[in-house]
Amino acid sequence: KAGVTQTPRYLIKTRGQQVTLSCSPISGHRSVSWYQQTPGQGLQFLFEYFSETQRNKGNFPGRFSGRQFSNSRSEMNVSTLELGDSALYLCASSLARGRGDTQYFGPGTRLTVL
Amino acid sequence: DQQVKQNSPSLSVQEGRISILNCDYTNSMFDYFLWYKKYPAEGPTFLISISSIKDKNEDGRFTVFLNKSAKHLSLHIVPSQPGDSAVYFCAASAISSGSARQLTFGSGTQLTVLP
Repeated sequence: KAGVTQTPRYLIKTRGQQVTLSCSPISGHRSVSWYQQTPGQGLQFLFEYFSETQRNKGNFPGRFSGRQFSNSRSEMNVSTLELGDSALYLCASSLARGRGDTQYFGPGTRLTVL
Repeated sequence: DQQVKQNSPSLSVQEGRISILNCDYTNSMFDYFLWYKKYPAEGPTFLISISSIKDKNEDGRFTVFLNKSAKHLSLHIVPSQPGDSAVYFCAASAISSGSARQLTFGSGTQLTVLP
């Protein structure tokens, strides 16, 4: 079974621009979560989507948004990019089966904001 | 407020010996715990997990121990191999809203296994 895939793997943008990242979950997984990893803050939860609905949201500004499509693929959008948005953005998918739910991660998208 | 803490940023171990990685948590609502391994420029890879109703789970060279009263879990790797060198993240899961679950991660421990 194919793993979680993320595109693109690397992105370079300038301040003020916007960016869209894509995530394809493992087949059969209906939940997709997004995380930001930075050297100083570790892995921080952004939001989770299940059946095309945002179920959960972390403590990030409204510039960070996402959506999920009917095939469970998800996109994350960051508008008005700031230098501090440079990070590795990770997507994880799961079966969303309750307590024993395990999230499986993609390789990430490395975003650099200049 | 860090709800999941990995107090050792790094650990070095000789090949063949035991590696013990530690993790402490503060939120008593956490009921499922996971360990992930991460290489640079890659996403975290799931290693092993444990439910709060158990105190030990074993998978090959990896064993996770959970001490609920101390709010402490540890990952034992025996024997350690050079390929185990990576950053190890501890994560804890709880219901956050409705039926949604959220993973909270520790800051990671860099394990280096010396040949």
